[in-house]
Amino acid sequence: EPEVTQTPSHQVTQMGQEVILRCVPISNHLYFYWYRQILGQKVEFLVSFYNNEISEKSEIFDDQFSVERPDGSNFTLKIRSTKLEDSAMYFCASTLGPSNTEAFFGQGTRLTVV
Amino acid sequence: GESVGLHLPTLSVQEGDNSIINCAYSNSASDYFIWYKQESGKGPQFIIDIRSNMDKRQGQRVTVLLNKTVKHLSLQIAATQPGDSAVYFCAEIPNQAGTALIFGKGTTLSVSS
Repeated sequence: EPEVTQTPSHQVTQMGQEVILRCVPISNHLYFYWYRQILGQKVEFLVSFYNNEISEKSEIFDDQFSVERPDGSNFTLKIRSTKLEDSAMYFCASTLGPSNTEAFFGQGTRLTVV
Repeated sequence: GESVGLHLPTLSVQEGDNSIINCAYSNSASDYFIWYKQESGKGPQFIIDIRSNMDKRQGQRVTVLLNKTVKHLSLQIAATQPGDSAVYFCAEIPNQAGTALIFGKGTTLSVSS
């Protein structure tokens, strides 16, 4: 069964450092997303990406965040200068098309900022 | 503003019982409402969705009910099994031109055998 894969599973970084979280969405999917989940809380939307550009973003997704699809398979989330409050589980997801509500989520990357 | 929330943070049931998980939403313009399940250490997993022009949809062992009058969504799980133990989130797509999911806070379902 096709799945979304994320690497690494756990990343520990110093405050102020840049991190890049990586995702490989399902190969025939066209829409890609990043969500985050602070421990014990709900899943929060960060950004959606389609046709090589951002299609929607939330208030959380400020100038410290950026996304990229550097090649035909990877989708990355970069946090330029991490803060303690960026510590969370980051989930990548993909959907087949715009009216498809079944988003496939990866296993997540646990980011710990110290 | 738009928000999706759940009535109870936890629900404990016995194996074989039927479970009902509830959710209240505030955005009347949302086109789709969706239930996701999150098992420990995993990402959310799609269960079932319902379009705003429907009031009931059935899947395998699950039923979603939508009451637009009171802005209420529920997920019914028949014959609950230990494998159903997880956190359940309702979500909506509030932007009719978009695809972003807005999640509620989650209900933890614990099934004892």
